[in-house]
Amino acid sequence: RKEVEQDPGPFNVPEGATVAFNCTYSNSASQSFFWYRQDCRKEPKLLMSVYSSGNEDGRFTAQLNRASQYISLLIRDSKLSDSATYLCVVNGGNTGFQKLVFGTGTRLLVSP
Amino acid sequence: EAQVTQNPRYLITVTGKKLTVTCSQNMNHEYMSWYRQDPGLGLRQIYYSMNVEVTDKGDVPEGYKVSRKEKRNFPLILESPSPNQTSLYFCASSGVRDRGNRDTQYFGPGTRLTVL
Repeated sequence: RKEVEQDPGPFNVPEGATVAFNCTYSNSASQSFFWYRQDCRKEPKLLMSVYSSGNEDGRFTAQLNRASQYISLLIRDSKLSDSATYLCVVNGGNTGFQKLVFGTGTRLLVSP
Repeated sequence: EAQVTQNPRYLITVTGKKLTVTCSQNMNHEYMSWYRQDPGLGLRQIYYSMNVEVTDKGDVPEGYKVSRKEKRNFPLILESPSPNQTSLYFCASSGVRDRGNRDTQYFGPGTRLTVL
């Protein structure tokens, strides 16, 4: 079983749609959780950290369920520019970015 | 501007010919890491460094070496490259403010390496 599992997609949605990505992780000792965005052939960029209480940044909402070892990302009012691959990332180390484990990503395609 | 730079961006080489991929950051970050990205496998950590002269293995360190003589630089060395090291390589750096307040992580633009 992979340490971090994501549905690879692609998710094809129209502009304005709400889309949700899910991710599960196997290491119950994981301390930090993140969502990254990666555009084709470019470097990953941190989208948001995920906190136990859930957190929101504009159209993006991230949630963490430690009991189920499950992380989610919700994107509301999808834009064409949201088309990218979204990476679920878990840190099993003691510090924020020290020992990151990346999921293989979920591809999102937003169409007009 | 906060930046992580990598060189070269593209490299085609032959088996056994030693090469170095440089990585440099201008943010005075303590942490630096190297990852490789392969289709279907995602990003996997090769090595990381917590500060000058402090490095440790990641998940796939075989065939790679690193050094951290200066805070800003973290080169990745392939002493004898093999075709299975053909991949997209990313360097990343992040800072530490205090135990509960982390800086963000920045990735370099990537180095696409082909070993023939």
